[in-house]
Amino acid sequence: RKEVEQDPGPFNVPEGATVAFNCTYSNSASQSFFWYRQDCRKEPKLLMSVYSSGNEDGRFTAQLNRASQYISLLIRDSKLSDSATYLCVVQNSGYALNFGKGTSLLVTP
Amino acid sequence: NAGVMQNPRHLVRRRGQEARLRCSPMKGHSHVYWYRQLPEEGLKFMVYLQKENIIDESGMPKERFSAEFPKEGPSILRIQQVVRGDSAAYFCASSPTGPSSSGNTIYFGEGSWLTVV
Repeated sequence: RKEVEQDPGPFNVPEGATVAFNCTYSNSASQSFFWYRQDCRKEPKLLMSVYSSGNEDGRFTAQLNRASQYISLLIRDSKLSDSATYLCVVQNSGYALNFGKGTSLLVTP
Repeated sequence: NAGVMQNPRHLVRRRGQEARLRCSPMKGHSHVYWYRQLPEEGLKFMVYLQKENIIDESGMPKERFSAEFPKEGPSILRIQQVVRGDSAAYFCASSPTGPSSSGNTIYFGEGSWLTVV
């Protein structure tokens, strides 16, 4: 079983729509959780950290459910510029960030 | 303040040749990490280095791959006798301090795309 699993998509949504991505992780001892964004042939960039209490940054809301080992990202009022691949990232106690394969989002006019 | 600088951005090598990828961390950062992203795959950790020391190379393939971060100059990821399966994007990242529970202190470079023909 892969350490971090995501639905690869693609998710095609119209501008203004709300879209949600999910991610599951296998290591119950994982300590830190993040969503990164990666544009085509670019480096991953941190979108937001994810906390058990849930956190929001503008149009983006992230949730963590430790009991279910499940992470989510909600994007409201989608913009064309939100089109990208969204990477779920889990960090255990060591050095490495464990990346999912990513979920592809395409926002259309 | 320049970010993490990687070069070359694109590199084409024939099978059997050597590839050298360079990474200059952000100013003031002494911790460097290399990740590999194979086509259609997620990024995979390869190695973590501090100046003149390899701290964790648990993600490095056992053969043909090596990394260094000398006292002076950039970190270098070296791949000897490349094969087609080495074709990937290689991302370097740096942080000002050692790994912590906050992954938001790690900054990625733009990557080096290696194509083996």
